[in-house]
Amino acid sequence: ETGVTQSPTHLIKTRGQQVTLRCSSQSGHNTVSWYQQALGQGPQFIFQYYREEENGRGNFPPRFSGLQFPNYSSELNVNALELDDSALYLCASSVGLARRETQYFGPGTRLLVL
Amino acid sequence: SQQGEEDPQALSIQEGENATMNCSYKTSINNLQWYRQNSGRGLVHLILIRSNEREKHSGRLRVTLDTSKKSSSLLITASRAADTASYFCATVGVETSGSRLTFGEGTQLTVNP
Repeated sequence: ETGVTQSPTHLIKTRGQQVTLRCSSQSGHNTVSWYQQALGQGPQFIFQYYREEENGRGNFPPRFSGLQFPNYSSELNVNALELDDSALYLCASSVGLARRETQYFGPGTRLLVL
Repeated sequence: SQQGEEDPQALSIQEGENATMNCSYKTSINNLQWYRQNSGRGLVHLILIRSNEREKHSGRLRVTLDTSKKSSSLLITASRAADTASYFCATVGVETSGSRLTFGEGTQLTVNP
C-alpha cells in the first residue's frame, strides 16, 4: 500500500457526460500526477500539479482538466466523454518536482464510457 | 504517444528461472525507472537508475542502462509465481519539466509454478 487513494474504484458513464475522479496524495507529498492507461498499453501522462499549480501537461485535449487543493489532494475532470476515454486513470504523488523523485501510485479508477 | 518499446511483449517461464525484459527509448533521459503492475491495478516502483549509472541491483532485481543505445534491461533472478505481473519501464527526460514519466508498452511476465 502506497498511501495514495483514489475514488471511485469503478465508474460507468455514457458518451457526452462529465466525470470527476479524485485522488488523495500520500502524507507529506505536494505533487500529484495523473495518467491514463488504455487496456493493454502503458500509462500516458495527462498533467502534473505542484502546490496547486499545473506544472506540465501531456497530449490531451482541454476537456481534460484538473485541480489541486490546499491539502494537495487532486481532481481530474473530463467533459464531453468519448468512447476512447474508457481507461484506467492513475494518480501518483511525490515530493517536489525533482526528476529523481519516486512517484507513488494509487490503485486507479477504471472508467467505462458507453 | 509512448516513447519506448519493450521486448518481449509477453514472457512465460518456470519458477526458479531468470526473466529478462528489455526497454528502448528515444530521447535523452535524466533517469529510467521500472514499475510493476498486478492485474491492471496501481503501479509499484521497483528501481530507478540514473543516466550516469550503468548497473544497479535491488534484491533479486538487476537493471542495466546503455545510454549510447538508449536501452535498458531488467533481470529478475530466481523468479517466483508471485512475480507474475506486467513490468513497465518509464523515463524522465532531460528536457521535460518536473518528474513526468513516459512509459513503454510493458512486458507481461507469467511465472508458472
